[in-house]
Parts: sequence; structure tokens; C-alpha cells
Amino acid sequence: DAKTTQPNSMESNEEEPVHLPCNHSTISGTDYIHWYRQLPSQGPEYVIHGLTSNVNNRMASLAIAEDRKSSTLILHRATLRDAAVYYCILRSLASGAGSYQLTFGKGTKLSVIP
Amino acid sequence: EAGVTQFPSHSVIEKGQTVTLRCDPISGHDNLYWYRRVMGKEIKFLLHFVKESKQDESGMPNNRFLAERTGGTYSTLKVQPAELEDSGVYFCASSLRQGLNTGELFFGEGSRLTVL
Repeated sequence: DAKTTQPNSMESNEEEPVHLPCNHSTISGTDYIHWYRQLPSQGPEYVIHGLTSNVNNRMASLAIAEDRKSSTLILHRATLRDAAVYYCILRSLASGAGSYQLTFGKGTKLSVIP
Repeated sequence: EAGVTQFPSHSVIEKGQTVTLRCDPISGHDNLYWYRRVMGKEIKFLLHFVKESKQDESGMPNNRFLAERTGGTYSTLKVQPAELEDSGVYFCASSLRQGLNTGELFFGEGSRLTVL
């Protein structure tokens, strides 16, 4: 799977928007961009995913650069519950039928300040 | 609806002993995965079941690890004999199907294994 690069940590004030960047300069045309997050003492939790177009769901928005070499996860109003490690993961359709390995990196640890 | 459940939440054993971790996926999910995070490392894929068949076990570290999913429902991951480096958190995940737009995996809270 192609690699992603994320900042080790970020801080945000509660109630403010948060933009979590991810670089994936070697992304291929068949790679989907997935975001998961892991709250303390819990398993990873799916946040959002996309291919080319920007995506919105109840949790967040995903903005994908036109060249797809970077993307940004947007939390519109950070809450204390959003404090977690956020992982940007590329999932290749070329991995082979039946394989769904998610390659977790170090992620970005988001701290939310009350 | 119940999520992915894992048991035990924490297990402490001595080196050389055997431990069996259990995972109950979300009902109706054919795909079941095991991942783990050992101390200081990143979360790593272990294996993937589709129903009762092992689809991909390329992440299994060695033959001390045995995963089963009899009947295509719950799964067990046995470590025998356990070594110190096996300590970590073992996550199970399930998904309804693999597809272009429905790739969401649902993870359990993990089973923490401590080998002394």
C-alpha cells in the first residue's frame, strides 16, 4: 500500500474547526483514501473515505486535492470527545480480491483544549 | 445492535502458557479480521476470514498463532506457547462485504494480552 504522511500531533480549541492534513504523494489511481480514528482505550473507528470528490458525513468532511496527492480531514466543531489518534490510510483495490489489509501508520494525535 | 465484542478484555499469562482470544463479529458480517498492536508499534494486520475460510493470513507472525472461525460466526485466536513479544492489544474487526463504497470496518475494543 502507498504510504501516507501525517503530523505527529495537533491541538485544537473546543468548538473550533480542525483540519487534519495527510500527504500521499505516491497514491495510485485505484487507491481510496480512508480515515479512521482511535479514542483512548478503544478500537479504531471508521470516520470517512473517498476517491476523488470531497465527501461529507455526519462525523466529518474529507477534502481531496485535485491531484489526489494530499487530503484533509475536517472536523467542523471539535469536541472533547474528538480527542483521538487519526489515521489516514490508503486502501488499494489492487490488493487482490478478498484482501482488506488496512495499513496503519503513526497517525496524528489530536488534543482538544476546553 | 451489538457491535464487535472481544473476550477477554485483558489477559495476563506467563511465558510458555496458552491463551485463546475470542471475537464475536456483528451479526451477518461475513468478513472478520484480526489486527494487533504490540508495544510501541503500529497496528498491524494479522489475518482475514471470509465466513469460515482464511482469505489472507499473510500477517500472522509465526506458527504459534492459530486462528479459527468454525461455522463462520465467532473467531478464536490462540497463542501457544506465548512469548514476551506477543504482549499487546489484539483487535478484531468485521465488515459486511468488500466493495468499492462499503469498505468500513467495525472494530472491537480489543483484548489486551500481557505475557510475563
